[in-house]
Amino acid sequence: DAGVIQSPRHEVTEMGQEVTLRCKPISGHNSLFWYRQTMMRGLELLIYFNNNVPIDDSGMPEDRFSAKMPNASFSTLKIQPSEPRDSAVYFCASSLGSGTQYFGPGTRLTVL
Amino acid sequence: RKEVEQDPGPFNVPEGATVAFNCTYSNSASQSFFWYRQDCRKEPKLLMSVYSSGNEDGRFTAQLNRASQYISLLIRDSKLSDSATYLCVVGQTGANNLFFGTGTRLTVIP
Repeated sequence: DAGVIQSPRHEVTEMGQEVTLRCKPISGHNSLFWYRQTMMRGLELLIYFNNNVPIDDSGMPEDRFSAKMPNASFSTLKIQPSEPRDSAVYFCASSLGSGTQYFGPGTRLTVL
Repeated sequence: RKEVEQDPGPFNVPEGATVAFNCTYSNSASQSFFWYRQDCRKEPKLLMSVYSSGNEDGRFTAQLNRASQYISLLIRDSKLSDSATYLCVVGQTGANNLFFGTGTRLTVIP
């Protein structure tokens, strides 16, 4: 069975550019989570969705970050404009309700 | 105060050693508890859930102390393949999101 799919796996961009990260959750899962991981801050929850509806976006750093989930099989995390401090690994995870969260392989973002 | 606190390590232990990790959580309403494992440059993966009565999975034993808001993971007979970062994870009633500790790094040395 396919796990959580994320794209791209690596992204290098210049400061000021728009970045879009994509996630396909495991089929049948109804909760989707976006995390950011850095050495300094560890794994931070940015936002999560239940049944495609954003439930908690208190972890979204600022207005430059936005996330959407137009349907049960797709979500995007957008950063516009990007800044060097946004460099991190961004993980998407999905679960069935409050069950085990399964993580995607992550997108390693570098903003120059 | 962080929701979940862990000793970041690193722990460097010889093969065959027994090693224990601890973490504490701040919200007494927390209801679900897990240990995740994360290999270098990989995603976190569930290692085991932690139950109130304590539970064991092969060489791994997890314990929960609700009164002290404390969770532990014991690894016996360490293998080289156990080298990874171990994340303590806590969830709360009525919410699907989880709170992750910053992880404890383990290196098992030949």
